[in-house]
Amino acid sequence: VQLVQSGAEVKKPGSSVKVSCRASGGSFTNYLITWVRQAPGQGPEWMGGLIPALGTPNFAQKFQGRVTITADESTSTTYMVLSSLTSEDTAVYYCARGASLRAGLTNNYFYAMDFWGQGTTVTVSS
Amino acid sequence: EIVMTQSPATLSVSPGERATLSCRASQNVSSNLAWYQQKPGQAPRLLIYGASTRATGIPARFSGSGSGTEFTLTISSLQSEDFAVYYCQQFNNWPPRWTFGQGTKVEIK
Repeated sequence: VQLVQSGAEVKKPGSSVKVSCRASGGSFTNYLITWVRQAPGQGPEWMGGLIPALGTPNFAQKFQGRVTITADESTSTTYMVLSSLTSEDTAVYYCARGASLRAGLTNNYFYAMDFWGQGTTVTVSS
Repeated sequence: EIVMTQSPATLSVSPGERATLSCRASQNVSSNLAWYQQKPGQAPRLLIYGASTRATGIPARFSGSGSGTEFTLTISSLQSEDFAVYYCQQFNNWPPRWTFGQGTKVEIK
């Protein structure tokens, strides 16, 4: 499975950014495609996710009302739009596949983010 | 929101030595925990899921343990390629509200 993201963006404060994530080499519609951002020198921050087959996204409370996640099943592409940008939104944005993985030979399954995109740098500057 | 706290922030270890990293959850997450390794300029890489199961292709020197609120990642004999930042992440919520720890940097002593 490969997740390929769109290129770097430079945006003005108050504007919006749209980042795409195209999946290839594996199933797309039944996995939770998640978005994570990482500000310079900081740890990752989970933003939200969407199972394309279900179509209903979920978001971290911090991003509610400011982020939109959609999917185009025909092209296996997920889109994340973040609006009302400020300098604090300057970060690398990653998409990742959230999958339910089997624990060895047991019947237990656990979620993890097993494949990641290469990251998209978003710089917000006036 | 479940808060994940990692310690220490930085761990200085000599090659060949053991490294022990800790992750604590603010509430019970059962075994719904993963560990990732991240090197500069790269995306995180999944090491461990379900608190203790190694992901595909991960060497046996990486092991995870714990459940509930206390978790440990152990690297039994550090190799040069293991010097990196390690993050834990909980997956206990549905619908998902998955959160990361702030990371432990493993550096060469």
